[in-house]
Amino acid sequence: DAGITQSPRHKVTETGTPVTLRCHQTENHRYMYWYRQDPGHGLRLIHYSYGVKDTDKGEVSDGYSVSRSKTEDFLLTLESATSSQTSVYFCAIRSRDSTPFFGPGTRLTVL
Amino acid sequence: ELKVEQNPLFLSMQEGKNYTIYCNYSTTSDRLYWYRQDPGKSLESLFVLLSNGAVKQEGRLMASLDTKARLSTLHITAAVHDLSATYFCAVDRRNTGNQFYFGTGTSLTVIP
Repeated sequence: DAGITQSPRHKVTETGTPVTLRCHQTENHRYMYWYRQDPGHGLRLIHYSYGVKDTDKGEVSDGYSVSRSKTEDFLLTLESATSSQTSVYFCAIRSRDSTPFFGPGTRLTVL
Repeated sequence: ELKVEQNPLFLSMQEGKNYTIYCNYSTTSDRLYWYRQDPGKSLESLFVLLSNGAVKQEGRLMASLDTKARLSTLHITAAVHDLSATYFCAVDRRNTGNQFYFGTGTSLTVIP
């Protein structure tokens, strides 16, 4: 599993509330990613990081922010959650041979 | 932006039959990945294809890559029920900041 954990695994929240999802890795990988998965869309990149404090936007970054203050943690924040952000969120890292590996996922429901 | 298309999106096949899933992508790429996802689970890496003509096989699954045609295939031989899952291809583009792009997935159901 490449030492990736995500927390929480499930969350239900209300529209307008802030939400932070955490991705934690134990193997010092440089690249980390946040994806969302929705039916009919596959996986879409939200944000990614290529080092501590180095992040960039993906194709669906609106409404999301990220932070990476330590190599092992990559945080995804929904500043004001909306129903359209109901989704399954996956964190990924690049292994030493560059293959992406995924965390277990977080199922987020925004009511 | 790199586009990745998979077809078919849904595939229902009988046990013992053969079939192929196709993955087309729009621009040159360094490498291509195949993943399997079971319902409610994360993505499991199946194959990494690194160069033109690369072929990888594991059990009843075989993946190949034609970089000139920008096409990868995932061939299923003599399908069994345990292969029922959603299969994704993903394509790397190193000069986009190490991003990788996914197809929409192929939902495979193997019927006994």
